[in-house]
Amino acid sequence: AQKITQTQPGMFVQEKEAVTLDCTYDTSDQSYGLFWYKQPSSGEMIFLIYQGSYDEQNATEGRYSLNFQKARKSANLVISASQLGDSAMYFCAMRGPSGGYQKVTFGTGTKLQVIP
Amino acid sequence: EAQVTQNPRYLITVTGKKLTVTCSQNMNHEYMSWYRQDPGLGLRQIYYSMNVEVTDKGDVPEGYKVSRKEKRNFPLILESPSHNPTSLYFCASSLGARVNEQYFGPGTRLTVT
Repeated sequence: AQKITQTQPGMFVQEKEAVTLDCTYDTSDQSYGLFWYKQPSSGEMIFLIYQGSYDEQNATEGRYSLNFQKARKSANLVISASQLGDSAMYFCAMRGPSGGYQKVTFGTGTKLQVIP
Repeated sequence: EAQVTQNPRYLITVTGKKLTVTCSQNMNHEYMSWYRQDPGLGLRQIYYSMNVEVTDKGDVPEGYKVSRKEKRNFPLILESPSHNPTSLYFCASSLGARVNEQYFGPGTRLTVT
């Protein structure tokens, strides 16, 4: 079975600083995908970044990068130059063949607050 | 505009009253899925559909039914809602199951009294 663990229920970061949100996963599959989503206080889910298990390079999307360490089964999200609008809940998620690619497992989330 | 729509956005109901939340996408996506979000538990998958007339259970299917008679629509039926803290329900779609990005609807906030 797939499992996602986010151990930081809440975090603070100073505006313009970088922050790392932790995500570890558990799977016996070799092929899987890892995602990060942002949920602002308004409630919508916003896709941020994706990393495939066979991708050799860490994924980057603007100020977001995914620090993928396959041997450690971690997929941490790094946000550079934090902005006030980054204050939100952040969810790590996974899909893989043992659950069927159609099954998606989410972590419990990390609430990030950016301080001016 | 490419989007996933859900109706209603807010719903207050009573214990045991069957209700339907609709979900529609205009992107010709094959894959659609329902999730529920409860405080402290993240999102959990209820049901998903790979295509018309193809549906299967996620991690928390008890008390729910779905159908996929048309590609664009994937309604969620709550058969007998029980009293719970407010839950948020999300519908999502993607081109296929292996496509990276799922597009999420705006969410339906359900309160059962």
